[in-house]
Amino acid sequence: NAGVTQTPKFRVLKTGQSMTLLCAQDMNHEYMYWYRQDPGMGLRLIHYSVGEGTTAKGEVPDGYNVSRLKKQNFLLGLESAAPSQTSVYFCASATGDVGLGSPLHFGNGTRLTVT
Amino acid sequence: AQTVTQSQPEMSVQEAETVTLSCTYDTSENNYYLFWYKQPPSRQMILVIRQEAYKQQNATENRFSVNFQKAAKSFSLKISDSQLGDTAMYFCAYRSVFGNEKLTFGTGTRLTIIP
Repeated sequence: NAGVTQTPKFRVLKTGQSMTLLCAQDMNHEYMYWYRQDPGMGLRLIHYSVGEGTTAKGEVPDGYNVSRLKKQNFLLGLESAAPSQTSVYFCASATGDVGLGSPLHFGNGTRLTVT
Repeated sequence: AQTVTQSQPEMSVQEAETVTLSCTYDTSENNYYLFWYKQPPSRQMILVIRQEAYKQQNATENRFSVNFQKAAKSFSLKISDSQLGDTAMYFCAYRSVFGNEKLTFGTGTRLTIIP
């Protein structure tokens, strides 16, 4: 009963380094999302995907890239990390059935610090 | 674009009392979904309650209920008989029935239950 799993849970990077955050869901959900959470700003959408092989930009996409090569996985990449990307990152997934208004299911987050 | 506003950054209440968290939103759509998520210190995002805009009846889940005022675009959360485990950040969120189904979040209210 894993749901949405994010790896790693914590990471410290130096400015300019790159890394990839992995999100995996076992619920056969069509939609997947990456959010970042910063104090006083709530959760802001970085990128999202409405199906395997598709991605789209959210509210704050600059400095990030994503890929959805398999339906169950959604990767978030930072090519050249900056201190402004210090944040907690959440992955979420949802079914594609719009009519049910199904909620998003979240992973437990990744705390990233860029020094 | 839709916006969600939570005007109370922090609140505190004595255990067993009732507390109401406010949320307002802005949209031009007639049909949508509204959610309250809870984020305890564990960082996990937990769905508390969901409201469908075309339903006039307010949603209720045990001690949690909402006051949904569609014309006023208001969606407040009432917690009755508050418990220490209710201490958390609470986020209000909006989801359209059209398009990509992303959630738009408010900035959150930090609720502390005092023993």
